[in-house]
Amino acid sequence: NAGVTQTPKFRVLKTGQSMTLLCAQDMNHEYMYWYRQDPGMGLRLIHYSVGEGTTAKGEVPDGYNVSRLKKQNFLLGLESAAPSQTSVYFCATVAGGTDTQYFGPGTRLTVL
Amino acid sequence: SQQGEEDPQALSIQEGENATMNCSYKTSINNLQWYRQNSGRGLVHLILIRSNEREKHSGRLRVTLDTSKKSSSLLITASRAADTASYFCATDAWGAQKLVFGQGTRLTINP
Repeated sequence: NAGVTQTPKFRVLKTGQSMTLLCAQDMNHEYMYWYRQDPGMGLRLIHYSVGEGTTAKGEVPDGYNVSRLKKQNFLLGLESAAPSQTSVYFCATVAGGTDTQYFGPGTRLTVL
Repeated sequence: SQQGEEDPQALSIQEGENATMNCSYKTSINNLQWYRQNSGRGLVHLILIRSNEREKHSGRLRVTLDTSKKSSSLLITASRAADTASYFCATDAWGAQKLVFGQGTRLTINP
């Protein structure tokens, strides 16, 4: 089992460009989350999903959109990237009825 | 805003010594979790303690929770070089297993 995978691992964007980050899981977990990690800030929740077809806002949702069309995939979109979105993005999953989060390896995004 | 505040921000000790990290939080919680992050990697779950528990052990890890003081501590005994990492506390207060992370403690174990 691959667990939680994230694509791509690294990306450099110019201001105003768009992109989509993919999180995929093969553990059949119900809940999925997108976080961003900035130096000295810990992780902050962007958006999350409690099941296929549902999404909700987290602590810092502005500038991001998400979709969960399939249970195993959670997409994070940046429609018009800004330098403030330079960060490391982590996806995490949780099995229904449990509390432990399983994290992907991260995507390092730089916006110039 | 960050729920958890961790102390110290950085800790450097000799191999074999014990390491203690502290976490304080602001609101009532369902549970508190500790995660480890090796440089350039994702977070790995270490241990979870529920709001009705006061102490929990897992191998060389010992976690305490004081809900009256809204604080928790993580003790790593007999530290090893492989314990070098950042350690984060995370609180679950809002349901849907949404975690709020502290800023982390960067632990360095010197051989």
